[in-house]
Amino acid sequence: GAGVSQTPSNKVTEKGKYVELRCDPISGHTALYWYRQSLGQGPEFLIYFQGTGAADDSGLPNDRFFAVRPEGSVSTLKIQRTERGDSAMYLCASSLSSSTGELFFGEGSRLTVL
Amino acid sequence: KQEVTQIPAALSVPEGENLVLNCSFTDSAIYNLQWFRQDPGKGLTSLLLIQSSQREQTSGRLNASLDKSSGRSTLYIAASQPGDSATYLCAVDPGGGADGLTFGKGTHLIIQP
Repeated sequence: GAGVSQTPSNKVTEKGKYVELRCDPISGHTALYWYRQSLGQGPEFLIYFQGTGAADDSGLPNDRFFAVRPEGSVSTLKIQRTERGDSAMYLCASSLSSSTGELFFGEGSRLTVL
Repeated sequence: KQEVTQIPAALSVPEGENLVLNCSFTDSAIYNLQWFRQDPGKGLTSLLLIQSSQREQTSGRLNASLDKSSGRSTLYIAASQPGDSATYLCAVDPGGGADGLTFGKGTHLIIQP
C-alpha cells in the first residue's frame, strides 16, 4: 500500500479482555516496529521485526504482550488480560531495512481499557 | 541508556517568524537522527533524516542540523505558518534496528495567525 496501515484506529475494551492490533507495513519494507505512546510523552519502543523474526523484543513491558509477523508482512500486536495502564496509542512503523534508518509510521491504534 | 531531551516543551509564536527547536541526546554513538511531526491524535510524519556522517538536511522551509560530538540537533523552521502547528519529535537511532528509536517528549508548537 501507499503507507503504513493500522487497524482498528480506536479500540475500547474492558479490563481483563484480549486485544489484537494489526499493522500492514509499506510493501517491500522488511523492518517493522511497534511503539507505544502515552499522552504527552514520546513513543517508546516495544518490538522490532526483521522479516518474520522478532529481532529485538526488549521493549515489551511484560509477558501479556506478544507480537507476530508470520509471513514477513502484516504484524499483529496481541495484549492479554488488558489493564487500565495499557491504555495508550500503539504505533507501527516500517523501514526498507534496518540499515537505511528512515521510519514511516502509521496513524496508530488508540487503545482505551475501561 | 540513551536519553533525548527537547527544549522548549511548548512554543507559541506569531505567523511569519523563524524559529528553532532544540534536541539533545546523551550518547553520541548514534546511527542517525530523525525529526517527526505529529498532529493531535495522529501518527508521526517523517520530516528529515540526518545520517551520523552528515551535518544538516534541508526540505523546503525546514532545516535540521546535527552536531554529534556535542549531542545536539536543531530544527529550523523559516517563515512559520499556522499549518505548522503540531508537536515536533526528535528521535535518535543507535543503528541495526536494536532497541528501536529513542524519542524526546516533543515540542508542542502553536503558530498564531
